[in-house]
Formats: sequence, C-alpha cells, structure tokens
Amino acid sequence: GAVVSQHPSRVICKSGTSVKIECRSLDFQATTMFWYRQFPKQSLMLMATSNEGSKATYEQGVEKDKFLINHASLTLSTLTVTSAHPEDSSFYICSAQTLDRNQGEQYFGPGTRLTVT
Amino acid sequence: KQEVTQIPAALSVPEGENLVLNCSFTDSAIYNLQWFRQDPGKGLTSLLLIQSSQREQTSGRLNASLDKSSGRSTLYIAASQPGDSATYLCAVTSGSRLTFGEGTQLTVNP
Repeated sequence: GAVVSQHPSRVICKSGTSVKIECRSLDFQATTMFWYRQFPKQSLMLMATSNEGSKATYEQGVEKDKFLINHASLTLSTLTVTSAHPEDSSFYICSAQTLDRNQGEQYFGPGTRLTVT
Repeated sequence: KQEVTQIPAALSVPEGENLVLNCSFTDSAIYNLQWFRQDPGKGLTSLLLIQSSQREQTSGRLNASLDKSSGRSTLYIAASQPGDSATYLCAVTSGSRLTFGEGTQLTVNP
C-alpha cells in the first residue's frame, strides 16, 4: 500500500515551452501533497505544499507564476513548469501525505527528470 | 529554521564491513525522523522511520537510533554488501514539513 506514481518519468522540452508533471496517490487519499526539486548531487529542496481544493503554499524563492500547482482531487496533484528554461532542468519528486496512515508519513513518487534544451 | 547535517558526505568501505552514518538536526522539536535510500537517477526508498517517542528501529541489517535531546541519529548497516551502494538521506519532520540532509554517498567495494 501507499503507492505514489509520477508521470512522465522523463521529459525533454524546448526552452520557452510548458510541461506538466502529474503526481497520483494510487491506493489512498492524500490530504496534502508536496513538490520537491533535486539538482545533481544535491539534496531535495521543498518547492511547495498543496492541500486539496486550496492554493499551494510556495517556499521562499520559488516563483508561483512559473511553477503552477493544482491539487484538484485527493489523489492527483499537477506541477506545470511554464516557459521553461535550461536552468529549470532538474529532478522533480512529489510526495503525498494522509493523516489516516502512519501519523502523517510522506510517501514519495519515483521522480520526473526534466531536461530543457 | 530546521537544519539537517549528515556526516560523512561520502564513504567507501570493503564488502562485509559494519558502518555507521550520522545525522544531526538543530531543532529537537521533531515529529519523526526517516532514513531514505536513493539510487542514482531514482526516487527515494524509505528505509526506517522513527517516531519522536522512539529510540530506535530495526529492519534486517539496518538499525537506526534517535537521540532527540541531542539532535542526533545514526544509521548502522551490518555486513555491508555492494548492493548497499547508494546515497542515504536523513530527513526530519517538524509539523508537516520534511527537511532533508545533504546525504551520504556510500560505496561498498567487492
């Protein structure tokens, strides 16, 4: 149980285009979902926290107009990178949390490798 | 602001050796502490989760301890194997926020 999927696993896009990444909790309802970014040889940095049906809370330094987060249902959150630039190339990982299971433990997706050319 | 530090940053050991990875955190008001494994280019695999009221957790060859008052945790790996080679991440939960350390890159040589 507690499986989180991400789609796509890898995406290459051209500079200036937008790309959408999906995060799904497959066997539980996620009250909260988190989006992280990881640059090579660095740790995970929290980008934003989203609760179903409300606006995401962004971390300091993360542009909310560039990284659009939608958490429309209890099993799906999407991250859209708008007007992507090469410096947005990174590994994006989502996690999902439910208060009904294991005292708020976060369950992680497998990640999405974004390359902007 | 919670800060998590992991020492060493990298470790290379021969197969069969027992080893210890260290994690420290600055704010002891944590909800839980987790150890993750990350293989290159992959997502996170949760290894052990220790609630703030617990002192240790064990799974197979892995044992994690938690000393909340001193802000420290250790991950002990017994009889290391080449398949254990990966980056090990420590993360603490404060409220609903998870803060990660920089990780320890472990290489186990055959």
